[in-house]
Amino acid sequence: AQSVTQLGSHVSVSEGALVLLRCNYSSSVPPYLFWYVQYPNQGLQLLLKYTSAATLVKGINGFEAEFKKSETSFHLTKPSAHMSDAAEYFCAVRIQGAQKLVFGQGTRLTINP
Amino acid sequence: DAGVTQSPTHLIKTRGQQVTLRCSPKSGHDTVSWYQQALGQGPQFIFQYYEEEERQRGNFPDRFSGHQFPNYSSELNVNALLLGDSALYLCASSAMTANTEAFFGQGTRLTVV
Repeated sequence: AQSVTQLGSHVSVSEGALVLLRCNYSSSVPPYLFWYVQYPNQGLQLLLKYTSAATLVKGINGFEAEFKKSETSFHLTKPSAHMSDAAEYFCAVRIQGAQKLVFGQGTRLTINP
Repeated sequence: DAGVTQSPTHLIKTRGQQVTLRCSPKSGHDTVSWYQQALGQGPQFIFQYYEEEERQRGNFPDRFSGHQFPNYSSELNVNALLLGDSALYLCASSAMTANTEAFFGQGTRLTVV
């Protein structure tokens, strides 16, 4: 069975600072990994995905994530935070050939001016 | 492209009642999955429909049922509502054979009183 652990339910950074949101996964088979963002009262928007190609994945809005198999991690980063990045971020795993997504509990990102 | 559309956006029901939520998938998608997102939690997989059949199911009771129509749209039905069913219900669509990522709708906020 797959599972996802997001370390830190709440992360707060200053505008212009580095954003680092942590995600560790558990999967018995090679996984697909995703980061989604959710703004208040909205659905989920895909930021980026890893599907066994390049281990460094670039997404929208300046975010990127690196797949590290040895650490079973898929941490999300952005070099310089913007006020508009304030939202809830979810890491998710899916095994190849399946459609079901397994989500982490989410990390709420707050940006301080 | 209208993306994934869900209706209604909000509704309030009384304990014991039944509710039907609706979802129209993104153009070109043939698979619909439903997720329940309780307040402060990550989305939990309810079930998935493809070719008008339930293909995969999460850990939800039989009170939760669904249907997929020939035009790929889908309904989620919940019977004998409990207070704990209050949540944001998200619909996600994808294309099974193309193994695409899931696109999410804005969700339906269900409040059970």
